[in-house]
Amino acid sequence: EAGVVQSPRYKIIEKKQPVAFWCNPISGHNTLYWYLQNLGQGPELLIRYENEEAVDDSQLPKDRFSAERLKGVDSTLKIQPAELGDSAVYLCASSRGTSGVPFFGPGTRLTVL
Amino acid sequence: QKEVEQNSGPLSVPEGAIASLNCTYSDRGSQSFFWYRQYSGKSPELIMFIYSNGDKEDGRFTAQLNKASQYVSLLIRDSQPSDSATYLCAVKSSGDKLTFGTGTRLAVRP
Repeated sequence: EAGVVQSPRYKIIEKKQPVAFWCNPISGHNTLYWYLQNLGQGPELLIRYENEEAVDDSQLPKDRFSAERLKGVDSTLKIQPAELGDSAVYLCASSRGTSGVPFFGPGTRLTVL
Repeated sequence: QKEVEQNSGPLSVPEGAIASLNCTYSDRGSQSFFWYRQYSGKSPELIMFIYSNGDKEDGRFTAQLNKASQYVSLLIRDSQPSDSATYLCAVKSSGDKLTFGTGTRLAVRP
């Protein structure tokens, strides 16, 4: 069974530029999470989807961050415009339902210059 | 009070010893508890999960849960240098939100 796929793995952009991250969850996993992880910290939830519905986006900075999961499978997380403080690793995870065990993708390391 | 608390470490143990990693949580309604291992520059990798009070063993790893004390731990027996990593405790609250601690860095000395 293939794991969670994320792309790109690394991204370097200048501040004020837009950036997008893509995630393909494990087949059959209808719950999808986007987390942000700063160096030396644990992952922090940005948004959780159940199928195509965002059921918890309370921690998503909606002035610059947006996410979508149009067909309940792949998901895209966007930042526009990026700020220096957005430099972090963006992790996608998926599980089979809310009670399932979450598995993580390799992450996207974002550097904003 | 943080939702999930861990000692950041580093916890240093000699090779072959038992490493004990601890985690406390604030939401009494939490039902699911997970331990992830994270090597430097890598993403979290699931080690174990536990739902019921008591112990759960998988190879050299044992997870222990005490819901009354709101405490979950991970024991690693016969620690190896390859076990050196950051161990993340994650708790799924009554609202299905999965919250992570800051992680405990484990160093196993050869």
